[in-house]
Amino acid sequence: GQQLNQSPQSMFIQEGEDVSMNCTSSSIFNTWLWYKQDPGEGPVLLIALYKAGELTSNGRLTAQFGITRKDSFLNISASIPSDVGIYFCAGQAGWANTGFQKLVFGTGTRLLVSP
Amino acid sequence: GAVVSQHPSWVICKSGTSVKIECRSLDFQATTMFWYRQFPKQSLMLMATSNEGSKATYEQGVEKDKFLINHASLTLSTLTVTSAHPEDSSFYICSATDIDTGELFFGEGSRLTVL
Repeated sequence: GQQLNQSPQSMFIQEGEDVSMNCTSSSIFNTWLWYKQDPGEGPVLLIALYKAGELTSNGRLTAQFGITRKDSFLNISASIPSDVGIYFCAGQAGWANTGFQKLVFGTGTRLLVSP
Repeated sequence: GAVVSQHPSWVICKSGTSVKIECRSLDFQATTMFWYRQFPKQSLMLMATSNEGSKATYEQGVEKDKFLINHASLTLSTLTVTSAHPEDSSFYICSATDIDTGELFFGEGSRLTVL
């Protein structure tokens, strides 16, 4: 199935550092979402982006919806140990029968934070 | 906040047996639920869209006779892995869309191990 390409694949940083990861696609998406997944759990929504060019923040997290609608980035500032996890971008690829979201997920960025 | 619950959270079964996984929206109704499969260190791959009161829509390459989906009520979808084999061992995650708000919520996932 279709996937979005995320980079980097993994990152190992020191606590307090800023982090940036991005997601690209060959297709246009109308919605971009960023999720965090902890081991053995389902993904949890961090930020949702609905308009091209939109820049949205959620605490230490900032994400932008690319103008071309084919990319997005997520920044984490002043990282802390609990930021450890796998971060996935997701794009709305189309509508299910009832008109609700059908998502395509990125390949993931694994983040490790050293205290 | 809205919660989507999956049961069981983990299951071990013998090769050739069938396993049923439930996905429940606990405080909202969902006409549409989605089933994903996630292999270790990989992304979430959409398997099928579960529609209340009608047949599920399967993604390309997903065998509908092997992965039976039943969405019998507005709060419950089930995924049955029939004649499971070791290669079916994976983390199965569902998501549900709130019929009133359109928000999407993910379950905690169900880990299936087939011996």
